[in-house]
Amino acid sequence: DGGITQSPKYLFRKEGQNVTLSCEQNLNHDAMYWYRQDPGQGLRLIYYSQIVNDFQKGDIAEGYSVSREKKESFPLTVTSAQKNPTAFYLCASSIVRGDTQYFGPGTRLTVL
Amino acid sequence: AQKITQTQPGMFVQEKEAVTLDCTYDTSDQSYGLFWYKQPSSGEMIFLIYQGSYDEQNATEGRYSLNFQKARKSANLVISASQLGDSAMYFCAMREGAGANNLFFGTGTRLTVIP
Repeated sequence: DGGITQSPKYLFRKEGQNVTLSCEQNLNHDAMYWYRQDPGQGLRLIYYSQIVNDFQKGDIAEGYSVSREKKESFPLTVTSAQKNPTAFYLCASSIVRGDTQYFGPGTRLTVL
Repeated sequence: AQKITQTQPGMFVQEKEAVTLDCTYDTSDQSYGLFWYKQPSSGEMIFLIYQGSYDEQNATEGRYSLNFQKARKSANLVISASQLGDSAMYFCAMREGAGANNLFFGTGTRLTVIP
């Protein structure tokens, strides 16, 4: 089955620790995205990548980093510099940039 | 100014009835795209329907249709014959420009289908 997987579903970390969220897709999509969702809010773009080895900052990139070494994978690292990291994180992909984005199941990160 | 406005925090509909979820948008671009997503309690965002700014016909996908009124800058989602499984959050989103990467999301509407 083609789709987007994110792991883990729930993640807990202590304040001051970096943590990496996984996102994998087997849809052969070129573009991938990371969004953050806070309670009662819509999604906000953190980072996006149009192609392997290329990525750009979104609206709220501070305190986050990404890599895109393979077409299928777009991991997001939440660093200790992110002041309020507790949120629901959603990964998405599209055939090319501007096309319809399809989302993974999300990872809920809680900082203790 | 908000790019996407959803003014209905919550809506109730009787099973098998139709319901309209409101969405207005703000852009000065001529080329843009409008999307509706469904988010059940599991959290995944499920793509429902898309309308391009140059599309003259309203988009339809099964029980979903998009009532696109360009002059009023509205893109309301109509769900016909509501089912219990339609209970979820619904988000309207906009892509500004033909190849833009960012989707601007509204704050969502929680739809509850009553048996």
